[in-house]
Amino acid sequence: EVQLVESGGGVVQSGGSLRLSCAASGFTFDDYAMHWVRQTPGKGLEWVSLISGDGVSTYYAASVKGRFTISRDNSKNSLYLQMNSLRPEDTALYYCAKEGHSRSLVWGQGTLVTVSS
Amino acid sequence: SYVLTQPPSVSVAPGQTARITCGGNNIGSKSVHWYQQKPGQAPVLVVYDDSDRPSGIPERFSGSNSGNTATLTISRVEAGDEADYYCQVWDSSSDHPGVVFGGGTKLTVL
Repeated sequence: EVQLVESGGGVVQSGGSLRLSCAASGFTFDDYAMHWVRQTPGKGLEWVSLISGDGVSTYYAASVKGRFTISRDNSKNSLYLQMNSLRPEDTALYYCAKEGHSRSLVWGQGTLVTVSS
Repeated sequence: SYVLTQPPSVSVAPGQTARITCGGNNIGSKSVHWYQQKPGQAPVLVVYDDSDRPSGIPERFSGSNSGNTATLTISRVEAGDEADYYCQVWDSSSDHPGVVFGGGTKLTVL
C-alpha cells in the first residue's frame, strides 16, 4: 500500500523559509515522478511542482518559480520542497503526491504551512 | 495557460445520477483524471485516463471525455458520495507545462 507522510509545516513570517519533507513507502520510489500540490483552506487545488523519478527534470508553477525548489533523495525514499521568500498567499495545506497513469496523482495527508505578515 | 471550468455545485437526490462536467479547450485530446475530496481528507483518485477506475472505486463512478467537455458520472448516488470533486489534466502546451486542476464542484446529496 502506498504511504506518503508529509512533515515540516509550521508558522513562518513573510520572507522566511521552510523545508517540507515527504517520506514514501509501499512502492519503488525511484520509479515514479513525484509532485507537490497545495490547497488554501476552504478553496481549490493548486499544483506546485514536479520532479522526475531520477531527479533530473523539474517543473514549477509560475507562482512559485524562483522561490521554491523541489528535490528528492532516492536512497531515503524522500521528497522535499525548499520554500524561500515565503508570502502570505503561500499559506496552504501542502500535499505530496505520487504520479500514476498519465500524470494522475495519489496523495498524502498534507502538512500545513502558515505565512504570517 | 490552460483553464478547466467546473460548475461550483451540483445537487442530486439519493439513487439518482449525478453528472459533473469539466470544460476545457479541446479537452478531448487530453487524459482527464477525477478526484473526490471529503471534508478534512486528502483527495482520492476515482477516475483516471478519462474513464478508468482505480481498484476499490465502485462501478457507480464512470467518466467520459470528448470535444471540449469531460464528464464524471456517479450512478445511484449515495449520501456518502457527498464531497468536492476536481478534474485534472497535464498541460504540455504552454510555456509552463504542468498539472492543471478545475476549480472543483461540490456535490450535495439532497
